[in-house]
Formats: sequence, C-alpha cells, structure tokens
Amino acid sequence: DGGITQSPKYLFRKEGQNVTLSCEQNLNHDAMYWYRQDPGQGLRLIYYSQIVNDFQKGDIAEGYSVSREKKESFPLTVTSAQKNPTAFYLCASSIQGRNSPLHFGNGTRLTVT
Amino acid sequence: KQEVTQIPAALSVPEGENLVLNCSFTDSAIYNLQWFRQDPGKGLTSLLLIQSSQREQTSGRLNASLDKSSGRSTLYIAASQPGDSATYLCAVDNAGGTSYGKLTFGQGTILTVHP
Repeated sequence: DGGITQSPKYLFRKEGQNVTLSCEQNLNHDAMYWYRQDPGQGLRLIYYSQIVNDFQKGDIAEGYSVSREKKESFPLTVTSAQKNPTAFYLCASSIQGRNSPLHFGNGTRLTVT
Repeated sequence: KQEVTQIPAALSVPEGENLVLNCSFTDSAIYNLQWFRQDPGKGLTSLLLIQSSQREQTSGRLNASLDKSSGRSTLYIAASQPGDSATYLCAVDNAGGTSYGKLTFGQGTILTVHP
C-alpha cells in the first residue's frame, strides 16, 4: 500500500539535544512538507520541498532544518535552537502542481523536557 | 496575512442528523480550499478539494461549498454516523507565486456524533 511513514510515533528528548524525525513516502510524490500542530493553534508550515535537493522555509522555520537528498525521504531535524519543540509533527506529500490534495503521515509526537 | 476561522469549535449531535461546519478566510485570493478529517492522535485525511473556480464538491455523504467572494466554505454532512466523529479542518492554498501546498489551516471543529 502506498503511503507516508513517519517514525517514531513518540519521541522523548532532553532539552539541548538535536533530534531528527523521519518521513518516508512511496507515493512517488514530488512535493513534501513538514507541519507542526499545537493544541488550539491548528497546523503551521515549517519547511517544504517541491523537488529533490531543493527546499524552502515555511512560516516557522527557525530552529529547524531539513534535507531532501532522495525523492522518498524528507527528514526534519529539531535543533536545540527551537524554543518550544514539544509538539505533534506531521509530514505530508503531494504530486507536483496545484490542486493536488495533501496526503499526511500519522505524525510524530515529540516531547522535550 | 491569510487567517482561517472555523465555527463552531465543537459540535455534538445525535446520530442521523444533517450538519454543517463552517470555515471563513480573510483573503479571497485563494487557489483552492481543502477539507480534512483528523482522528485523535493521527494524521489528516483529505476529504474534498474545491478549486477556486468551483462552487462545490461532493463525495458520498459529504458536500463542500465555496463562496470565494465572501470568504466562506461549508462542509455539509448528511445522515451523520458515530464513525464521523473526528476533528474537521479546512485549509486554503493562497494564490500567487509558483509555490503550492503552502496551506493555511483553521483550528478545526471537533465533531461528536452520539448513538
């Protein structure tokens, strides 16, 4: 079955540590996205990539980094510079071009203490 | 800056009722509007996508309408079932540039359908 796999489902880290969230898709989609979801705030775009080896900052990119070395993979690193990293992180993908619905993974819940 | 608002924040209805969820947006220059469903602790599932040139889209018991000029969309769910219980989110793709998929989301409506 085609889909988006995010791992792990739950992640716990100590403050000051960098952590990388995995996102893999086998839908052959060109575009991939990272969103953050906080209670009462909806989803906010962190980074997006429309093609391999290219990515753009979203609305809240500070304290995050990404890479897009393969079409299937779009890992997100939450760095120690991110002030409030505890959140639910969602990865999504879509085929190239507008008017293509987004497909989401099941998310990674990150808790930093 | 685009802002998306969903009303009501929560809705509880008995099984079998027809219901309407509302979504409004401040900037009418959108490319499309999407409705999603989210179950607790899960990702989002795309329900309907309405292009800016369209007035409505239908899928099964779901019907979404779009009035771009007034900045509103509604999601109509017919004959609601307990399995429809979830959070429903709307999101707009803002027109302009070549970037796509940069959606602005509403905060969602939590729907509970009780037997």
